[in-house]
Amino acid sequence: DTGVSQNPRHKITKRGQNVTFRCDPISEHNRLYWYRQTLGQGPEFLTYFQNEAQLEKSRLLSDRFSAERPKGSFSTLEIQRTEQGDSAMYLCASSLGGTGGRETQYFGPGTRLLVL
Amino acid sequence: GDSVTQMEGPVTLSEEAFLTINCTYTATGYPSLFWYVQYPGEGLQLLLKATKADDKGSNKGFEATYRKETTSFHLEKGSVQVSDSAVYFCALSGGVGTGTASKLTFGTGTRLQVTL
Repeated sequence: DTGVSQNPRHKITKRGQNVTFRCDPISEHNRLYWYRQTLGQGPEFLTYFQNEAQLEKSRLLSDRFSAERPKGSFSTLEIQRTEQGDSAMYLCASSLGGTGGRETQYFGPGTRLLVL
Repeated sequence: GDSVTQMEGPVTLSEEAFLTINCTYTATGYPSLFWYVQYPGEGLQLLLKATKADDKGSNKGFEATYRKETTSFHLEKGSVQVSDSAVYFCALSGGVGTGTASKLTFGTGTRLQVTL
């Protein structure tokens, strides 16, 4: 169990540029989640996958955001035409999901995005 | 919708003092409740959880009891150490059939600083 990994750990970009983040979950985990955390706040849910299917998206996920999980393994989160308000820590988590949502989610270290 | 309310920090305690961090929640159904901890420069780690009413989660000397009648899940530790200095997040995942079973809803976090 090598844990959840995220790359890059830090990203600085200029407003209007596109950025892509990657998350590698714990290998046997079928569920993968993306959250966003701004300074002084708790993480907010963005979206989640069960295997390769994207099952839920938050209203926070504007049409500039897109997430994929091809083949049910790693996932990418892309932000197009970044805005300064996108500056945040983007967290990925994975879990071995059954029913009821009682499983533990394991978090990666996050990718900190700064949009200038 | 689901929500979690935590006491505001920062909380500053001397080593060996008793710790309580209050957490109350609003949710439909029968949520699972979690405490996550974020040490400086690290990702979120699960501290403890409880999945049904009257369950007590415990880990590393920390405890929290799922109180359905008061919709609370307060975190306690009898004697804190300097190494407990971190940000603590209370969170819930929704109950079965609510449609929110797989995502976590977090509180805003409580920063704990323990001094010698």
